[in-house]
Amino acid sequence: DAKTTQPPSMDCAEGRAANLPCNHSTISGNEYVYWYRQIHSQGPQYIIHGLKNNETNEMASLIITEDRKSSTLILPHATLRDTAVYYCIVLRRDMRFGAGTRLTVKP
Amino acid sequence: DTAVSQTPKYLVTQMGNDKSIKCEQNLGHDTMYWYKQDSKKFLKIMFSYNNKELIINETVPNRFSPKSPDKAHLNLHINSLELGDSAVYFCASSNTRPPANTEAFFGQGTRLTVV
Repeated sequence: DAKTTQPPSMDCAEGRAANLPCNHSTISGNEYVYWYRQIHSQGPQYIIHGLKNNETNEMASLIITEDRKSSTLILPHATLRDTAVYYCIVLRRDMRFGAGTRLTVKP
Repeated sequence: DTAVSQTPKYLVTQMGNDKSIKCEQNLGHDTMYWYKQDSKKFLKIMFSYNNKELIINETVPNRFSPKSPDKAHLNLHINSLELGDSAVYFCASSNTRPPANTEAFFGQGTRLTVV
């Protein structure tokens, strides 16, 4: 029942930018997009969230298209420790996780 | 000082037993959650409590009963454990500020193995 679509896996070279796409074509006007990641079997970790405008914090940048039907999470300089499953979530009543994208950062 | 703590971290038990997993958050959040992550790694929401009131109760067997004695605690009691209950259970908390929530913090998980 996830409302988002993400590629199942991606690779990225260490030191390069990792761009993780997410489609959320059924998003409504006041629904936020959240990104979390799960490293190995740890608890998920919050990364960033946004509504319409692009957002940036110390971990990542979030680019949301003008029609809000898709977004991209950008890790500007990926490190080996960024290897994780990344989840894009459209917040409705609660946080429902999809399958996410398994990002592998390679040396 | 752990923000969301779960105990125990590991739990191995026999079929038919009753067990509890405890969760505490020291962040002053008003909403707490339980998630189940099975062997296929899908994270599924089970319950959500806001200010000690049950908000979400997904299609979870009634053998699972959450209990929230206060806003800082949400415990999960499981009766008559079955093999299919084996999974990692995550507790989480956040503040609900419609239409957005504050970031959610997750516990380190409880790996339940039913034998």
